Amino acid sequence: AQSVAQPEDQVNVAEGNPLTVKCTYSVSGNPYLFWYVQYPNRGLQFLLKYITGDNLVKGSYGFEAEFNKSQTSFHLKKPSALVSDSALYFCAVRGRSYNTDKLIFGTGTRLQVFP
Amino acid sequence: NAGVTQTPKFRILKIGQSMTLQCTQDMNHNYMYWYRQDPGMGLKLIYYSVGAGITDKGEVPNGYNVSRSTTEDFPLRLELAAPSQTSVYFCASTARSGRDEQYFGPGTRLTVT
Repeated sequence: AQSVAQPEDQVNVAEGNPLTVKCTYSVSGNPYLFWYVQYPNRGLQFLLKYITGDNLVKGSYGFEAEFNKSQTSFHLKKPSALVSDSALYFCAVRGRSYNTDKLIFGTGTRLQVFP
Repeated sequence: NAGVTQTPKFRILKIGQSMTLQCTQDMNHNYMYWYRQDPGMGLKLIYYSVGAGITDKGEVPNGYNVSRSTTEDFPLRLELAAPSQTSVYFCASTARSGRDEQYFGPGTRLTVT
């Protein structure tokens, strides 16, 4: 069965410092991997995705993520955090062996960036 | 494009009442989804549709029904509201299976008392 784990409920970081939000997954075969961000009282917004090719994926707002097949991870990173990055972040996975388009979401990690 | 729109934004229901959550997308997407978001639980898939006239159950379909008569609309029906259905509901759509990202609506906050 597909699953996604986000081991940290909350990540705190000072503005200007690098940030990492962790995600590990379990699927049969090669995965499609996604990161979404949710600001208060809003729907989820797409940040970036890994489909194939280069393991380092760049996305919106300066975020990037690295696909690591051996560690089954897809951690979200940003070199320099902004206060405005404070939000709820979701990792999601879909296995290619499935015939239906169902994403499995992690439980979310709240990022708090302090001035 | 307006993207994915949902109505209403907020609703309070009494136990046993019924209501329909509306979802419309103007991107001509074939795939549409309904999720519920509970605190600390992430998103759970309720129902999804791969095209007009085709729907299927997700992880948590009990207590809900859907229909998909057009490409644009994917309403979610609650027949007999229960307190366990208190949640935030999100509708989403995507163009192609698998590799494309989903576009989410702004959500409906539902309270059942």
